[in-house]
Amino acid sequence: GDSVTQTEGPVTVSESESLIINCTYSATSIAYPNLFWYVRYPGEGLQLLLKVITAGQKGSSRGFEATYNKETTSFHLQKASVQESDSAVYYCALVSDTNAYKVIFGKGTHLHVLP
Amino acid sequence: GPKVLQIPSHQIIDMGQMVTLNCDPVSNHLYFYWYKQILGQQMEFLVNFYNGKVMEKSKLFKDQFSVERPDGSYFTLKIQPTALEDSAVYFCASSSGGARDTLYFGAGTRLSVL
Repeated sequence: GDSVTQTEGPVTVSESESLIINCTYSATSIAYPNLFWYVRYPGEGLQLLLKVITAGQKGSSRGFEATYNKETTSFHLQKASVQESDSAVYYCALVSDTNAYKVIFGKGTHLHVLP
Repeated sequence: GPKVLQIPSHQIIDMGQMVTLNCDPVSNHLYFYWYKQILGQQMEFLVNFYNGKVMEKSKLFKDQFSVERPDGSYFTLKIQPTALEDSAVYFCASSSGGARDTLYFGAGTRLSVL
């Protein structure tokens, strides 16, 4: 079935350092899935960070960006300079082209940003 | 932004009892979801509910589970009877147009079955 694999956490970086959280996906359909990054801040529900529905395109939000690479089946999340407020759990996710009833999530990556 | 509220935040019950988890979704959303996350593990899809019907469910959605949203009120997940392996955090979500649209999640209900 469809699946998502992402960097195992926790990941600890210092403020103003760069960040990359790896994400690769496996999709059984011939067409390409929609890809997402969700984030959960402490005490809150998951919220959408960014999404890309077209292979080759890049999504960006709050200084984060991710590029949909169908050749490597990857959707890595990057940020050039993190802030302490970015500390959260980040989830890579997909919605299959053939089943739009569910989002399939990766295990989540806990990010700690040190001041 | 829009909020999904889950009540209660923590529920402790004895094995074999019934439990109902409540979710107040975003108003005017049409699709509703439950996810289950055991500590340290992946967040797993349980069920998608639309127009009064279960549209998709996973094998984790056992016969003891049921969902409903009577008269546009709370979207509920009922487990009857509960088992030890039901201990987890349950997340509710809603969206306006299916899973390709943005899902809005609640903060979760931690269920502890003793």
